[in-house]
Amino acid sequence: QKEVEQDPGPLSVPEGAIVSLNCTYSNSAFQYFMWYRQYSRKGPELLMYTYSSGNKEDGRFTAQVDKSSKYISLFIRDSQPSDSATYLCAMIRETSGSRLTFGEGTQLTVNP
Amino acid sequence: GAVVSQHPSWVICKSGTSVKIECRSLDFQATTMFWYRQFPKQSLMLMATSNEGSKATYEQGVEKDKFLINHASLTLSTLTVTSAHPEDSSFYICSARVRNTIYFGEGSWLTVV
Repeated sequence: QKEVEQDPGPLSVPEGAIVSLNCTYSNSAFQYFMWYRQYSRKGPELLMYTYSSGNKEDGRFTAQVDKSSKYISLFIRDSQPSDSATYLCAMIRETSGSRLTFGEGTQLTVNP
Repeated sequence: GAVVSQHPSWVICKSGTSVKIECRSLDFQATTMFWYRQFPKQSLMLMATSNEGSKATYEQGVEKDKFLINHASLTLSTLTVTSAHPEDSSFYICSARVRNTIYFGEGSWLTVV
């Protein structure tokens, strides 16, 4: 079983839709949680990071962490065609020496 | 703005030659940087952990003599692909930790002809 599970999609939504991206993890030692956006042929771009259970909002993006359920989510409101990319969840546990553990990535297409 | 910068973004080299990719941390000191490789439509694969002032730690299956990593300063790590072959053509990405999160560089596309 993978330590981090993420539905690879692909996910296709109309412009303006609310997008929900999700990851589950199995190791309660994960402490820091990130969401990255990766456009084709580019390096991953950090969208959100958090370390506590609850919600964190930044513009159209909301990151949600539920440590008791070992579940994290990223919500994108008013999705735009420019949001079309692959979204990666990632986590760090201190015992791993800062190494990231990634989900598989979800490919999102927002159709105009 | 960019926190981690990579150079070059694109490089083409002839088979058998060596090519160096630089990864710089901007406005912060990075004692640890990471090098990844990514094939099209695949996940990032960690190649090695670069530690300032000491030898890099390579992941299982990564040839340390082929992928030379040097982290000589707190803001610069380099990856040198030695005696490159067409199968080394790939997207190489570095990252660095800033407090409790990780930032990635823009990536470097290597094509070996």
